[in-house]
Amino acid sequence: EPEVTQTPSHQVTQMGQEVILRCVPISNHLYFYWYRQILGQKVEFLVSFYNNEISEKSEIFDDQFSVERPDGSNFTLKIRSTKLEDSAMYFCASSEETGGRYFGPGTRLLVL
Amino acid sequence: GEDVEQSLFLSVREGDSSVINCTYTDSSSTYLYWYKQEPGAGLQLLTYIFSNMDMKQDQRLTVLLNKKDKHLSLRIADTQTGDSAIYFCAERGHNQGGKLIFGQGTELSVKP
Repeated sequence: EPEVTQTPSHQVTQMGQEVILRCVPISNHLYFYWYRQILGQKVEFLVSFYNNEISEKSEIFDDQFSVERPDGSNFTLKIRSTKLEDSAMYFCASSEETGGRYFGPGTRLLVL
Repeated sequence: GEDVEQSLFLSVREGDSSVINCTYTDSSSTYLYWYKQEPGAGLQLLTYIFSNMDMKQDQRLTVLLNKKDKHLSLRIADTQTGDSAIYFCAERGHNQGGKLIFGQGTELSVKP
């Protein structure tokens, strides 16, 4: 069964460093998303991406964040200068136009 | 703004039915979702229902939707210890590719 994959599974970084989280969405899906889950809190929407551009973003997704689909398969989230409060589990998801949203296993980011 | 609420904990005996409840505020919700998250793992899509449906059944899972009261429930028949996890409901507005708003999750504990 097709699935969303994410790498790395864990990432530890120093405050102020740049990180890139990678995702491979399900191949025939058109919409791509990033969400995050801070420990003990709700899963929060960050950004959605369709037709090679951002279609919606939350107030969390400020200038420190960017997304890219560099080729036909990968979808990346870059955090330019990480802060302690960026520590969270980051989930990538993808979907067709309607129906289910399929999430990847997540990348646990720890900022020290 | 949009909000989704769930009770935090539910404890049942193995073999009993579990009913996890969710309320939401967005009257324009078109799809409602149930996800399962096991410890340290990602969000597994269990099922989803389109807002013009009242009920959807998939093996041991039954979803009931009361659109008038904005109430969603997930019933798990013959609950097993492997069903122990956190269950999230989420709603999506009418935009294709629109963001999901998640509840805070219900931790289901199944005792043998």
